[in-house]
Amino acid sequence: DTGVSQNPRHKITKRGQNVTFRCDPISEHNRLYWYRQTLGQGPEFLTYFQNEAQLEKSRLLSDRFSAERPKGSFSTLEIQRTEQGDSAMYLCASSFASRNNEQFFGPGTRLTVL
Amino acid sequence: AQSVSQHNHHVILSEAASLELGCNYSYGGTVNLFWYVQYPGQHLQLLLKYFSGDPLVKGIKGFEAEFIKSKFSFNLRKPSVQWSDTAEYFCAVNAQSSASKIIFGSGTRLSIRP
Repeated sequence: DTGVSQNPRHKITKRGQNVTFRCDPISEHNRLYWYRQTLGQGPEFLTYFQNEAQLEKSRLLSDRFSAERPKGSFSTLEIQRTEQGDSAMYLCASSFASRNNEQFFGPGTRLTVL
Repeated sequence: AQSVSQHNHHVILSEAASLELGCNYSYGGTVNLFWYVQYPGQHLQLLLKYFSGDPLVKGIKGFEAEFIKSKFSFNLRKPSVQWSDTAEYFCAVNAQSSASKIIFGSGTRLSIRP
């Protein structure tokens, strides 16, 4: 499968714990995006990378959240000191950097904070 | 700031009925427009997209959408729905000038009665 992959698919954690998610984009794509989706809502943009540079961060991305893409390939999203409000589906997408920005989405990581 | 409004939260139709899902966006510049679909248990998939040219766009599975610039609308249509069209549908927009984050609507859940 050459699509976007995400691991783990599900994560259950206790409040206050740290969690880390991984996203592997489509190999030729130089842009990688993180979104968050809560029940009954559309995905909300969190941040994106072009190669290894993080070019934009949403105000939704509090200082407990950090994302990296150290070699311009896979990316990790870490949430420190998780809160119940962090429970959501975390989606990763990738694309080429172009005017016509078609993004391809992965299956998501569902986080449940108890 | 960009925003997307989807007028219907939940639509229930019988098989063979015609479908139209409303979408309006707010942005003053040139945009790319998308409809994504999320089938139960599956990840987001692109249904169709508009970048430029013919405002009537045809997508997969018999769906089409019409971009009406004067109305800031991008409504999704299908002349005859099938039970397999049961899914969540998201309208989305991004600005061609930045071509980065996609702004999603809150989604419309479509239920088809067999």
